[in-house]
Amino acid sequence: EVELVESGGGLVQPGRSLRLTCAASGFNINGYGMHWVRQAPGKGLEWVSGISWKSGSVGYADSVQGRFTISRDIAKNSLFLQMNSLRAEDTALYFCAKDAVPGPMSDSFYYMDVWGKGTTVTVSS
Amino acid sequence: SYELTQPPSVSVSPGQTARITCSGDALPKKYAYWYQQKSGQAPVLVIYEDFKRPSGIPERFSGSSSGTMATLTISGAQVDDEADYYCYSTDSSDNRRWMFGGGTKLTVL
Repeated sequence: EVELVESGGGLVQPGRSLRLTCAASGFNINGYGMHWVRQAPGKGLEWVSGISWKSGSVGYADSVQGRFTISRDIAKNSLFLQMNSLRAEDTALYFCAKDAVPGPMSDSFYYMDVWGKGTTVTVSS
Repeated sequence: SYELTQPPSVSVSPGQTARITCSGDALPKKYAYWYQQKSGQAPVLVIYEDFKRPSGIPERFSGSSSGTMATLTISGAQVDDEADYYCYSTDSSDNRRWMFGGGTKLTVL
């Protein structure tokens, strides 16, 4: 069964850093692009970042560009999101998601077909 | 910056047809995708590439796209379809930036 489990969330002060981890099972992440999506309390979904299966293509929402970095560890079958210079507006539930398009079709990322349950990040002093 | 615009809410009675729209300037060139999110749960893909339905999604869910507007149609809406629905697409030629619409709360009662 394909499963994604996020971890690493918590309470952090503004300006500090946090690293989220997404552990994948039931499939190899080196065959698919991956995404991070967040949802602030009571708000809608916001796409945060994506990475292609070869890691040759990455992208970020304007709101996190220059502060967040997406990466992956094939050996650990895990996806990461390094979040620096955190702001109150980064407070959200962060979802990890698998891209629906198999990697060899294109070194890019498209849409999500499997989601984790999320990990909560709270930025507050 | 690019935006996908959805109505905040749509309300129908059980058995009626619900239509949720998503408007974006790049939609004539880019696919629209639709996600359903029930309270406290992760989103679920219900339509991809404008009109395709993933396996396991009921046939009452359908999608279409014309010009700058994509539409999710739920024919014969059921109480269980009550959820938030989000369209999703990109405006970038290299597919490196994606976004969701603001979401539409569907009420079936």
